[in-house]
Amino acid sequence: DGGITQSPKYLFRKEGQNVTLSCEQNLNHDAMYWYRQDPGQGLRLIYYSQIVNDFQKGDIAEGYSVSREKKESFPLTVTSAQKNPTAFYLCASSIGGWTYGYTFGSGTRLTVV
Amino acid sequence: GENVEQHPSTLSVQEGDSAVIKCTYSDSASNYFPWYKQELGKGPQLIIDIRSNVGEKKDQRIAVTLNKTAKHFSLHITETQPEDSAVYFCAASINGGSQGNLIFGKGTKLSVKP
Repeated sequence: DGGITQSPKYLFRKEGQNVTLSCEQNLNHDAMYWYRQDPGQGLRLIYYSQIVNDFQKGDIAEGYSVSREKKESFPLTVTSAQKNPTAFYLCASSIGGWTYGYTFGSGTRLTVV
Repeated sequence: GENVEQHPSTLSVQEGDSAVIKCTYSDSASNYFPWYKQELGKGPQLIIDIRSNVGEKKDQRIAVTLNKTAKHFSLHITETQPEDSAVYFCAASINGGSQGNLIFGKGTKLSVKP
């Protein structure tokens, strides 16, 4: 079955460390997205990519970095510059274009210890 | 840019009652409006969507209505059940811009009391 997989489900980070969240899809979707969700809050866009080797900053890109070397993969690195990284991170993908919905992964919960 | 407002932020209903969640959007060019359901600790799942050439769409107990003139759309859930308890997000499509292709509302937490 096609889908979008995020790993790990839970991740713990020490202060000052960089960590990378994985997002892989086998839906043959062109576009991929990263959102951050804080408790009781909505979805805030971190980065998105409409095509391989290209990506754009979203509303809250500071302290995060991404790469899109393969169509299937869109990893997110949370750097030490992100001062409050504890949150639920969601990856999504879509066919592309502006009249299609997103398919979301199951999320990664990142906690700073 | 596009803005999507969603109301109410929380909604509590008795099992068997109906629930209605409303969203308004600002960009008259938006033409695709999906609704997502997010259960605790999980990713949002698409439950129903509507395109601008249709005024209403139904899928069993769920329906969505769209008023393009007024730029608002609503989710209707009839005969609610405890398993309908979740956070619901509406979204509107945009063409280009700096926010991807969908702009999301801030969500509605629906609680269905048995």
